[in-house]
Amino acid sequence: KQEVTQIPAALSVPEGENLVLNCSFTDSAIYNLQWFRQDPGKGLTSLLLIQSSQREQTSGRLNASLDKSSGRSTLYIAASQPGDSATYLCAVNSNYQLIWGAGTKLIIKP
Amino acid sequence: GAVVSQHPSRVICKSGTSVKIECRSLDFQATTMFWYRQFPKQSLMLMATSNEGSKATYEQGVEKDKFLINHASLTLSTLTVTSAHPEDSSFYICSARRQSDTEAFFGQGTRLTVV
Repeated sequence: KQEVTQIPAALSVPEGENLVLNCSFTDSAIYNLQWFRQDPGKGLTSLLLIQSSQREQTSGRLNASLDKSSGRSTLYIAASQPGDSATYLCAVNSNYQLIWGAGTKLIIKP
Repeated sequence: GAVVSQHPSRVICKSGTSVKIECRSLDFQATTMFWYRQFPKQSLMLMATSNEGSKATYEQGVEKDKFLINHASLTLSTLTVTSAHPEDSSFYICSARRQSDTEAFFGQGTRLTVV
């Protein structure tokens, strides 16, 4: 059974710092992995999608990596801004179902 | 990109009444739609998977008679919470997937409060 874990559960950093969010999964047989952002009381915004054959994807200040063999993905945020404050979720597409991590609550201090 | 519209975004209803939430794929045909529920400070949990024209497949522990799902067309799925109770208060999110794609696109969610 696929399980997804996100560490840390919460993170607070000063504005301008680079940071890394972690996502690990137990079954390497995945179709893809997605990173999402969720603002309080709001829906999901898809940030990056990495197919199982890819190793990384980049969008602006965001870079997501995928290492299937070790069951890990990281989301790198460069030059963090207060507007980046949100909960970041990773989801693994396993057998056409999305298995979700519990999220990392990120706070960027001005 | 593909757009999924979910309506309403917020709803407050009285205990014992039923609430319908709509999920529409605006610019693509969604052969499969998913319904998730998220309790405060918890991750999303899959409730059910529905394929157009067939009965939904519910996850273990989800009452099919309480959460009625209809996927009558390739662009619309509805979730009806019947005889809602305060413990049904939650954030409900739908997602839709094209037949030829493994990527799922998400609605903006519906916050249901049962009073």
